[in-house]
Amino acid sequence: EPEVTQTPSHQVTQMGQEVILRCVPISNHLYFYWYRQILGQKVEFLVSFYNNEISEKSEIFDDQFSVERPDGSNFTLKIRSTKLEDSAMYFCATTGGRTQPQHFGDGTRLSIL
Amino acid sequence: AQKVTQAQTEISVVEKEDVTLDCVYETRDTTYYLFWYKQPPSGELVFLIRRNSFDEQNEISGRYSWNFQKSTSSFNFTITASQVVDSAVYFCALSEALTQGGSEKLVFGKGTKLTVNP
Repeated sequence: EPEVTQTPSHQVTQMGQEVILRCVPISNHLYFYWYRQILGQKVEFLVSFYNNEISEKSEIFDDQFSVERPDGSNFTLKIRSTKLEDSAMYFCATTGGRTQPQHFGDGTRLSIL
Repeated sequence: AQKVTQAQTEISVVEKEDVTLDCVYETRDTTYYLFWYKQPPSGELVFLIRRNSFDEQNEISGRYSWNFQKSTSSFNFTITASQVVDSAVYFCALSEALTQGGSEKLVFGKGTKLTVNP
């Protein structure tokens, strides 16, 4: 069964550094999402992306965050200047259509020191 | 605004017991989707089921069953004859079917941690 692939599985970064989290969507999927889960808490929506632009973003997704699809396959989430509170599991999800279920990658655990 | 409430934070059962995980949702939309996801200790999110708001038929898949009741805005999940491998955090989620624009983001509940003891 096709999978959403996320890399790296674990990223450790110093506060203030930039990080890029990568996601390879399922082939032919058109809608892309990033979610965040702080340890022990619920999964929260960050941003959705369709047709090379952001469809919707949450209040968490401030100016420090950006997304792009640089090469037609990868879908990336960039955090420009990381803070301690950015430590979380970041999930990429993709779907082929707005009425279809979102399929999640295994997540990237981001640890900010 | 959309909201999903999973009032049970943690449940502990003994293997072979049946267990029901509760989910109550709020939405102003008449068209929406409800989901359950499983998060095992390894951390990934595993899709279990999606239901649209027009389909109130209960669903059974093996030991899993779901009871959708619009009248009470609930979408409960029952595991029959639980097994140790069912131990995980289970999330209920809601998305609204927007007619144009938007993104049908998922709004998750806080999750219920299920522990099945041998």
